Amino acid sequence: SSELTQDPAVSVALGQTVRITCQGDSLRSYYASWYQQKPGQAPVLVIYGRNNRPSGIPDRFSGSSSGITASLTITGAQADDEAVYYCNSRDTSGDPYVFGAGTQVTVL
Amino acid sequence: EVQLVESGGALVQPGGSLRVSCAASGFTFSDHYMEWVRQSPGKGLEWVGRIKNKANSDTTEYAASVKGRFAISRDDSKNSLYLQMNSLRTEDTAVYYCSRGPRNDYGVGLDVWGQGTVVTVSS
Repeated sequence: SSELTQDPAVSVALGQTVRITCQGDSLRSYYASWYQQKPGQAPVLVIYGRNNRPSGIPDRFSGSSSGITASLTITGAQADDEAVYYCNSRDTSGDPYVFGAGTQVTVL
Repeated sequence: EVQLVESGGALVQPGGSLRVSCAASGFTFSDHYMEWVRQSPGKGLEWVGRIKNKANSDTTEYAASVKGRFAISRDDSKNSLYLQMNSLRTEDTAVYYCSRGPRNDYGVGLDVWGQGTVVTVSS
């Protein structure tokens, strides 16, 4: 079945920029949503659609998409951004929706 | 305040059944699709299923891993969402999150989440 592939982990220096990617065939047709999850907490939506941020999400978070790859960029990463980030989208051949396995972002 | 509060998580034996609930407040519940997402201990997020709104016939969709065993329902008069879980397996052990979906098929993103309820399947 189709799936969304994410790198397991990335690190970024404080104040620098990090891009997290999500690959999957379904992303040619559907937008991804991105979620931030900190230990012991529920996920929080940070980006949805073409490049939309819910109220309260800092503008250092942005999204983009090209072909089969969706990306979440954190520009000027802060210590508070350390978390696991998951992408989510419609699936075109398996379950109606699917999550990526998540990317652990470490801020150094 | 927009809020989702899950309840009903418990320890259940394999093969057993359980219904968990989600109480919504602070928004027009009936307008939105509602979804369940779970997370097994130390693992990532797994989409479980969704129920659309009345305008879309309360249509349900499920992940293959739970289809035929789980059923999602809603009671708009009570602002409540339910997940009936039957024939439970040890691999269903997880935190179950209720989340608010879009208003139609063109929307994306789960923008409100509950705190989760723990379901443990073990003998």
